[in-house]
Amino acid sequence: QKEVEQDPGPLSVPEGAIVSLNCTYSNSAFQYFMWYRQYSRKGPELLMYTYSSGNKEDGRFTAQVDKSSKYISLFIRDSQPSDSATYLCAMSNPGGTSYGKLTFGQGTILTVHP
Amino acid sequence: GAVVSQHPSWVICKSGTSVKIECRSLDFQATTMFWYRQFPKQSLMLMATSNEGSKATYEQGVEKDKFLINHASLTLSTLTVTSAHPEDSSFYICSATVGGTDTQYFGPGTRLTVL
Repeated sequence: QKEVEQDPGPLSVPEGAIVSLNCTYSNSAFQYFMWYRQYSRKGPELLMYTYSSGNKEDGRFTAQVDKSSKYISLFIRDSQPSDSATYLCAMSNPGGTSYGKLTFGQGTILTVHP
Repeated sequence: GAVVSQHPSWVICKSGTSVKIECRSLDFQATTMFWYRQFPKQSLMLMATSNEGSKATYEQGVEKDKFLINHASLTLSTLTVTSAHPEDSSFYICSATVGGTDTQYFGPGTRLTVL
């Protein structure tokens, strides 16, 4: 079993739809949770960074963390064609020898069509 | 802020040659840099962790003599693929962290094609 599971999709939605992306994880030591967006043939771009359970909102993006269920989500409101990309969840354990390392999900390919 | 650059963005080389990829943090000093490899439609695979002035720590299964990493300053790390072969063809991405945080800022990636 992988430490981080993410549905690879692909996910196709119409413009204006609400998109829900999710990851589950098994390592309870993960404390920091991130969402990255990666356009084709580009490096990942940090979208959201959260610590501990709860919600964090930034414009059209909302990140949710539920540590009791080991489940994180990214919601995109009013999705746009420019949101079409691969979305990667990532998480890290700040303690021990894993400090600074990220564990990534497989990535979800999202297409928003006009 | 927190911009990371990579050079070159794309390189084609003949089998048996060595290729050097540079990773620079442009507007901050990076205490740690990471090197990843990514195959098409797959997630990032961590190759090694690099701290300025010390030897890189390689992940299990990554040949340290094949992938040489040098982190000579707080703004520059290099990855040299030695005696490259077609199976080394991949997308190589670096990232850097600002001191005291786990947030990694990624470079734009380098596409290596070995003929």
